[in-house]
Amino acid sequence: DSGVTQTPKHLITATGQRVTLRCSPRSGDLSVYWYQQSLDQGLQFLIQYYNGEERAKGNILERFSAQQFPDLHSELNLSSLELGDSALYFCASSVGQNNNYGYTFGSGTRLTVV
Amino acid sequence: GENVGLHLPTLSVQEGDNSIINCAYSNSASDYFIWYKQESGKGPQFIIDIRSNMDKRQGQRVTVLLNKTVKHLSLQIAATQPGDSAVYFCAENQGGRRALTFGSGTRLQVQP
Repeated sequence: DSGVTQTPKHLITATGQRVTLRCSPRSGDLSVYWYQQSLDQGLQFLIQYYNGEERAKGNILERFSAQQFPDLHSELNLSSLELGDSALYFCASSVGQNNNYGYTFGSGTRLTVV
Repeated sequence: GENVGLHLPTLSVQEGDNSIINCAYSNSASDYFIWYKQESGKGPQFIIDIRSNMDKRQGQRVTVLLNKTVKHLSLQIAATQPGDSAVYFCAENQGGRRALTFGSGTRLQVQP
């Protein structure tokens, strides 16, 4: 157990629908990162939050959004889902807002859009 | 497993041999590098890191080498075991407000 908790582990939904993925960071970590892992693209950075504020943005689609709550858990919202959104979504956390000590990853949410 | 569909280069080694996994990174300004291991059905797991002021760092059965001149990173695993079978990713910190950037990964298969 890495200390980073992601729910649900699996999610199957239809095209056009909206889903919310949840992440609880490791105790003491203030930064949360979201990554997408597709079959042919490896780990793609989506977005980072630090202590409730957006810190960095990667290749995140406009249909996707995220937030970090006062208790530091984060949610990734995916809307108007398309077949191509099927992927593993990983959350990672770190202590600081910079990237000097590596991240701890959760076990991911597997999203299947049918 | 979740990575079975990834079109990754594969390194196949015999149990007990040493493994070397290579990575070419993209940004000469990157100052921090990490190797992650991803087993089937799990998230990436931190293995070892190295900062740009070093060219070698050793852990338990693993060594990371950094060659800044050619922007190359390698992971050496000594006495490879079946439990080392996984996908290995290098990651670099390109600085500023950018998150860690991951390489495309290498699948390590250990033959008993």
